[in-house]
Amino acid sequence: AQSVTQPDIHITVSEGASLELRCNYSYGATPYLFWYVQSPGQGLQLLLKYFSGDTLVQGIKGFEAEFKRSQSSFNLRKPSVHWSDAAEYFCAVEGGNTGKLIFGQGTTLQVKP
Amino acid sequence: ETGVTQSPTHLIKTRGQQVTLRCSSQSGHNTVSWYQQALGQGPQFIFQYYREEENGRGNFPPRFSGLQFPNYSSELNVNALELDDSALYLCASSLEGRGTGGTNYGYTFGSGTRLTVV
Repeated sequence: AQSVTQPDIHITVSEGASLELRCNYSYGATPYLFWYVQSPGQGLQLLLKYFSGDTLVQGIKGFEAEFKRSQSSFNLRKPSVHWSDAAEYFCAVEGGNTGKLIFGQGTTLQVKP
Repeated sequence: ETGVTQSPTHLIKTRGQQVTLRCSSQSGHNTVSWYQQALGQGPQFIFQYYREEENGRGNFPPRFSGLQFPNYSSELNVNALELDDSALYLCASSLEGRGTGGTNYGYTFGSGTRLTVV
């Protein structure tokens, strides 16, 4: 069965520090992978997606993610975090042509001044 | 280009009642998916509609039903509300047909409807 694990429920980083949010997936074939961000009381905004090709994907707001098939991972990174990045981050996988996104439990990012 | 619009934004219902949530998809999108997000959890897939037909369903009971209209807007109906139905309900639209799952374009999510069942 397809699944997504985000091992870190809560992460706190200082403004200006680098960030890495972890995501591990379980899927038999090459998955379609997504990272979404959710601010309090808001819907989900797509940060980036991976379908195929270059395993390093660039997204909006300075985020990037790297697909590592050998580790079944799709970690999200940002070199320098801004206070406005504080939010909930969700990793998701879509298996094949199901039209169904499977989300991880999310990681809450807190940014210290 | 308009985004995905959901209404109402907040709703309080009593256990046993029925509720209808509405979603207007992004202009030009023909596929709508519904998700339930309980507090502190990731969204859970309820079902997807493509050209007015259900195109996949998650692990939700039949009292969760939906419709998609010719203009691609959609409704989510929940009968016999239970306390555990309290959640944020998200609608997502995409420009994809049956079997392609929105992969080339991703999904555009609305801000959701916060349903509280008391």
